[in-house]
Amino acid sequence: GNSVTQMEGPVTLSEEAFLTINCTYTATGYPSLFWYVQYPGEGLQLLLKATKADDKGSNKGFEATYRKETTSFHLEKGSVQVSDSAVYFCALNSGGSNYKLTFGKGTLLTVNP
Amino acid sequence: DTGVSQNPRHKITKRGQNVTFRCDPISEHNRLYWYRQTLGQGPEFLTYFQNEAQLEKSRLLSDRFSAERPKGSFSTLEIQRTEQGDSAMYLCASSPDPRDHYGYTFGSGTRLTVV
Repeated sequence: GNSVTQMEGPVTLSEEAFLTINCTYTATGYPSLFWYVQYPGEGLQLLLKATKADDKGSNKGFEATYRKETTSFHLEKGSVQVSDSAVYFCALNSGGSNYKLTFGKGTLLTVNP
Repeated sequence: DTGVSQNPRHKITKRGQNVTFRCDPISEHNRLYWYRQTLGQGPEFLTYFQNEAQLEKSRLLSDRFSAERPKGSFSTLEIQRTEQGDSAMYLCASSPDPRDHYGYTFGSGTRLTVV
């Protein structure tokens, strides 16, 4: 079956530090890959996506590249801000008609000023 | 339209009681999904509807769980004879088209605590 493995948290960084959150996946076929973010007390928000190998998703300074050869989709940001503090989820959809998502366990990021 | 709305935000219930949650999707979205999120875990798929038809149910959805979407608008998720293991955040999401993934919008969830 499908699965997503994320780097264990929590991750604590100082403002302007470089961020990497690792994500690897197992899936049949050619999945689409996503990063979602959940701020305290809020619902999940789609941060970025990539739908085929070598695609790079980007949004709000965050980037992730779909690497089929390593089955990875690592999230990066060059300079984090306090406002980036949240839980980040890697997810995949392996296609089919239902378009349901399989999520990783999430990584809590705390950015200190 | 302000997004996907879920009610209540929090529910505390005694073991053995029945509970019902409501989800109001974005009005033009024909697909509606329910997920469950336990502490320290990512959301897990429970079921989804296309319009009023329930097209798939996860094996996580035991016989005590039932979901409906009458008239293809709002949806309800009912849990009968609640157990402590049902304590979780229940998330609803809606989508206008499965290929338009940026339209997959989550609500803020209903947090259930069974005591």
